[in-house]
Amino acid sequence: GENVEQHPSTLSVQEGDSAVIKCTYSDSASNYFPWYKQELGKRPQLIIDIRSNVGEKKDQRIAVTLNKTAKHFSLHITETQPEDSAVYFCAVDSGGGADGLTFGKGTHLIIQP
Amino acid sequence: DSGVTQTPKHLITATGQRVTLRCSPRSGDLSVYWYQQSLDQGLQFLIQYYNGEERAKGNILERFSAQQFPDLHSELNLSSLELGDSALYFCASSVIPGTNYEQYFGPGTRLTVT
Repeated sequence: GENVEQHPSTLSVQEGDSAVIKCTYSDSASNYFPWYKQELGKRPQLIIDIRSNVGEKKDQRIAVTLNKTAKHFSLHITETQPEDSAVYFCAVDSGGGADGLTFGKGTHLIIQP
Repeated sequence: DSGVTQTPKHLITATGQRVTLRCSPRSGDLSVYWYQQSLDQGLQFLIQYYNGEERAKGNILERFSAQQFPDLHSELNLSSLELGDSALYFCASSVIPGTNYEQYFGPGTRLTVT
């Protein structure tokens, strides 16, 4: 089955700086790569996603890049703000036509004031 | 608010018991997914339904089962509960299956097995 590795597990940045979270996956048949933000005790919230026919996608301060050859994708958050503090999960579709998502272990992003 | 609803919010039960978790998808969504989130296993896909039919299975135990009803709500049944089943159970929905359609998560049910 699909295997998703996410790094780092914890990331602390100064407010206003950029944060980058990286994920690698194993199944070359995977086509869909969403990112979710989860605050403590809350639901995972979809913040951005990318599909295999696109190399980069941006939405205001958030961007995702995808390298299908190397099987890795990254989340970039610029001009970080205190409300960006949360756990971020990358995910990959299961490939082979199945639609369940395989998630990384998560990155705890801490924005230092 | 994603539009996906789940009940109950919290559930406390004893080992060996059986519980049912309920999910209503967003209006217009036909596909429902169940996920389990625990500290040691992370977020894991359990099972998916589309328009009343099972479509895909993930890491779902044989003690667990689910179904989707004609009104598209779904129930996850957990039986012979063990301490290790304590977790957050999320339901997600999408318009139809396929990677062109985003999955939106409900608020979750926190299950505590004592």
